[in-house]
Amino acid sequence: AQSVTQPDIHITVSEGASLELRCNYSYGATPYLFWYVQSPGQGLQLLLKYFSGDTLVQGIKGFEAEFKRSQSSFNLRKPSVHWSDAAEYFCAVGAMDSNYQLIWGAGTKLIIKP
Amino acid sequence: ETGVTQSPTHLIKTRGQQVTLRCSSQSGHNTVSWYQQALGQGPQFIFQYYREEENGRGNFPPRFSGLQFPNYSSELNVNALELDDSALYLCASSLGTGGTYEQYFGPGTRLTVT
Repeated sequence: AQSVTQPDIHITVSEGASLELRCNYSYGATPYLFWYVQSPGQGLQLLLKYFSGDTLVQGIKGFEAEFKRSQSSFNLRKPSVHWSDAAEYFCAVGAMDSNYQLIWGAGTKLIIKP
Repeated sequence: ETGVTQSPTHLIKTRGQQVTLRCSSQSGHNTVSWYQQALGQGPQFIFQYYREEENGRGNFPPRFSGLQFPNYSSELNVNALELDDSALYLCASSLGTGGTYEQYFGPGTRLTVT
């Protein structure tokens, strides 16, 4: 069965510092991979996705993620965070053999220090 | 273009009661997925509707049921409410059922069961 692990429940980063949020998945083949952001009172917004091809994908708001098959990882990065990036971030996996139902990690809450 | 909307925003029910949550999909989207997000967790897939038919279901009991209407709006019904049903219920619409279709999320309905 597919699973997604986000090892960090909370991460605190200073404004202007770089960010990396970790995501590991378990699936036998190459899944579809997603990162979403959830701000209080707002719906989940797609940051970026990986289906195939170039393993480094660019998303909105200056985020990027790299798919590493050998490590079963899809970590999210941003070179310089802004206070408005404070939110909860979710990694999700969609697999063909489950009709692409999304399996979600538990999320990482990003806290920005001024 | 109107995004995904959900009603009501908040709801308080008593154990054993029944509840109906509503979702209006984004214009042109024929697929609606429902998720349950318990506090501190990632969303869990409940089911998906495509052109008024259920098109996949997660690990939820039959007391969770749904409908999709000709205009592609959708309802989630939960019978015999239990305390553990307290959660944020998210609706997402998309242009199709495949994994490459982006899901657009509504802000959610916060259900509290007492």
